[in-house]
Amino acid sequence: SQQGEEDPQALSIQEGENATMNCSYKTSINNLQWYRQNSGRGLVHLILIRSNEREKHSGRLRVTLDTSKKSSSLLITASRAADTASYFCATAPQNTGNQFYFGTGTSLTVIP
Amino acid sequence: EAGVAQSPRYKIIEKRQSVAFWCNPISGHATLYWYQQILGQGPKLLIQFQNNGVVDDSQLPKDRFSAERLKGVDSTLKIQPAKLEDSAVYLCASSTLAGANTGELFFGEGSRLTVL
Repeated sequence: SQQGEEDPQALSIQEGENATMNCSYKTSINNLQWYRQNSGRGLVHLILIRSNEREKHSGRLRVTLDTSKKSSSLLITASRAADTASYFCATAPQNTGNQFYFGTGTSLTVIP
Repeated sequence: EAGVAQSPRYKIIEKRQSVAFWCNPISGHATLYWYQQILGQGPKLLIQFQNNGVVDDSQLPKDRFSAERLKGVDSTLKIQPAKLEDSAVYLCASSTLAGANTGELFFGEGSRLTVL
């Protein structure tokens, strides 16, 4: 399976704290993306990091990528109750035609 | 800009019945995907279209699932006959025709299928 795995499966923090979730994958990739899914809704794209990039920022989001370890992390700083959602990484393996494979997800709960 | 439209949002059927889901991607998006998301899991790619051609359907259970994208725009996903394990949310996503280094996916709200 080309599906990645997120760690932890579930995370509960207090509002204002930082949340870190990790993604591991198996094959060489062109890029890796992070998505958010609110309960009962579709997925929303958060950030994309290319295989030749090591770190990327977008607002309160910071993503790192270590291709030698085949892993990525998503850091959400100063979390808010509205950040409560499931977070998924999606990998675009090399030598495929724009296919994207999603991980198992991390369920984040931010307590007000 | 209108998003990805899917219908129906919810469907309840009995096993061995058939069901069809419809997706209208964002205008101009050449690539369309169907994903299956079982409760508590990540989305699993079922099929990918580029315009009206199939790029990848290696994970589509072809004995019961079929999909088409006529004229390279709308797409339908059909299940016949349905099994209990098909209970899931079926997500449609689209993206622009771009190189492998780009390609943000835009998702619809999904169609939730319950098979009794």
